[in-house]
Amino acid sequence: AQSVAQPEDQVNVAEGNPLTVKCTYSVSGNPYLFWYVQYPNRGLQFLLKYITGDNLVKGSYGFEAEFNKSQTSFHLKKPSALVSDSALYFCAVRDLTNAGNNRKLIWGLGTSLAVNP
Amino acid sequence: EPEVTQTPSHQVTQMGQEVILRCVPISNHLYFYWYRQILGQKVEFLVSFYNNEISEKSEIFDDQFSVERPDGSNFTLKIRSTKLEDSAMYFCASGVQGSYEQYFGPGTRLTVT
Repeated sequence: AQSVAQPEDQVNVAEGNPLTVKCTYSVSGNPYLFWYVQYPNRGLQFLLKYITGDNLVKGSYGFEAEFNKSQTSFHLKKPSALVSDSALYFCAVRDLTNAGNNRKLIWGLGTSLAVNP
Repeated sequence: EPEVTQTPSHQVTQMGQEVILRCVPISNHLYFYWYRQILGQKVEFLVSFYNNEISEKSEIFDDQFSVERPDGSNFTLKIRSTKLEDSAMYFCASGVQGSYEQYFGPGTRLTVT
């Protein structure tokens, strides 16, 4: 079965330090991977995606993610964290079963990022 | 920048009542979705809609649920007879042809009492 795992419920980092939010996936074919962020009382905002090509993907707000096929990982990173980055981060993978117009996303549980001043 | 909008932001209803959650997707998008998130749990896929028909639905999306795009702009989710376990945040999303990003609305918090 296809799945996404975010092994950390919470990540704490000091402002200015690099941050990493981990994600691993399990799919039967080539993965389409996504990161979304959810601020309090807001919807899910798209950050970045990996479909094909360069393993290092750059996205919104200075975030990037590295696709690692051998480790089946897609960790989210930022070189220098801001207090305003504090939010809930979700990793998702496109469900590759019954492809075609099936584009549903399978989600991780989310990781709460707290950036301390 | 265009956004997906959802109304209401919070809906309280009694068990057994019908509710309709409304969404206005981004105007040139062709793919539409409903997801839900029970408090403390994963975001779960409910249904996807393309070319005026359901393209995929999950086991959660049983006969109590239906979707409609009545007028070319709104995309609604109806729950015919709500149950306590339907209490969740419901997210609408839309996507454009040729891309796999989904753009989400702010959600409707449904509370069934």
